[in-house]
Amino acid sequence: AQTIHQWPVAEIKAVGSPLSLGCTIKGKSSPNLYWYWQATGGTLQQLFYSITVGQVESVVQLNLSASRPKDDQFILSTEKLLLSHSGFYLCAWSLTGAGNTLYFGEGSRLIVV
Amino acid sequence: QQQVRQSPQSLTVWEGETAILNCSYEDSTFDYFPWYWQFPRESPALLIAIRPVSNKKEDGRFTIFFNKREKKLSLHITDSQPGDSATYFCADTSNTNKVVFGTGTRLQVLP
Repeated sequence: AQTIHQWPVAEIKAVGSPLSLGCTIKGKSSPNLYWYWQATGGTLQQLFYSITVGQVESVVQLNLSASRPKDDQFILSTEKLLLSHSGFYLCAWSLTGAGNTLYFGEGSRLIVV
Repeated sequence: QQQVRQSPQSLTVWEGETAILNCSYEDSTFDYFPWYWQFPRESPALLIAIRPVSNKKEDGRFTIFFNKREKKLSLHITDSQPGDSATYFCADTSNTNKVVFGTGTRLQVLP
């Protein structure tokens, strides 16, 4: 069975500090991978997607970057956090092709102070 | 970017009543319409989905009705239970790489 794990579960970080969030998918080769951001009480905003190792596409510009160094790993990062980066970050995977279900990880909750 | 609109923004029903959640979209090239639900402080999960070969998809107390001509979907939850209290999102999956979620409907079921 496929599993998706995110780390860390939660972080409190200072404005201007760096951030790295990670996501690992097990049991599925070459999945599509996604990063979403959700403000408290808000909708799910897609940030990035990746269809293969080393290839990441940005959907919105939020002073964040993403990388896929391995087939089963997706990293979200920034060198300088902003207050507006606070929220719930969700990694998801799906099968390739349109019309597939997204399977989300447990999420990483970030508070920037 | 594709717009997916949901209404109402929030909905409160009594236990045993039917809750109706609405979703509308702009593009007509969808081939898959999922609804996700999200409990407080948890991540979203697939609840039910429909492919447009059918106008209706039923799974227990949850039913999706699809109107292609009007570009609308609705999710009906019959015999609502307090455990159904969650935020419900419909999604646009027409682009395999950009899955757009609706604004969400927050459902509260009172005992």
